[in-house]
Amino acid sequence: SYELTQPPSVSVSPGQTASITCSGDKLGNRYVCWFQQRPAQSPVLVIYEDAKRPSGIPERFSGSNSGNTATLTISGTQAMDEADYYCQVWDSSSAVVFGGGTKLTVL
Amino acid sequence: QVRLQQSGPGLVKPSQTLSLTCAISGDSVSSISAAWAWIRQSPSRGLEWLGRTFYRSKWNSEYASSVKSRITIEPDTSKNRFSLQMNSVTPDDTAVYYCAREFYGSGSPNPHFDYWGQGALVTVSS
Repeated sequence: SYELTQPPSVSVSPGQTASITCSGDKLGNRYVCWFQQRPAQSPVLVIYEDAKRPSGIPERFSGSNSGNTATLTISGTQAMDEADYYCQVWDSSSAVVFGGGTKLTVL
Repeated sequence: QVRLQQSGPGLVKPSQTLSLTCAISGDSVSSISAAWAWIRQSPSRGLEWLGRTFYRSKWNSEYASSVKSRITIEPDTSKNRFSLQMNSVTPDDTAVYYCAREFYGSGSPNPHFDYWGQGALVTVSS
């Protein structure tokens, strides 16, 4: 089965740029989604089809995907961005696969 | 605006059946632009997709291989909702369960999960 690997944690200072990676075999050949999940809340879609932002998601969230790695970038990180972030793809049989999640700390 | 409202018991005994319902407002369970999914989350398993139901000329359901033998996801068109049933549960099935819409946008090559229910903690314990 297809697997996605994320770093368990990433730290960033307020106002700086945070980069969260997601790795998988030939990941660049698949479309990647990213979700933000704050404590005790449901996941929120922040990026789909590698780099598209849903309505209402701030422009500081951006995404890229090439080779074996997809990256979620948060520019000008704010305290409110502190959350868990998950990448997600579909495997060859249309089953949904999530990464293990990355805890973003803004300190 | 789409809203997904989950309901169901929060405690299930081992070996019994877990049943959850997700009521849809703002869209139709029969929409040909959507699939309706169940996803669970636990500290040990992280986010885990369980399956989906969708209508494309006929009703279809697809399930994760890890739970395929134990679950059923069905639409209820009369009440515009869908359900999850998981039988023979064990404590390992304890998790927060979410329903979600998997949206197939016009011209988009891939769907995405754009709306989620509020989540429901289901504990499997005697």
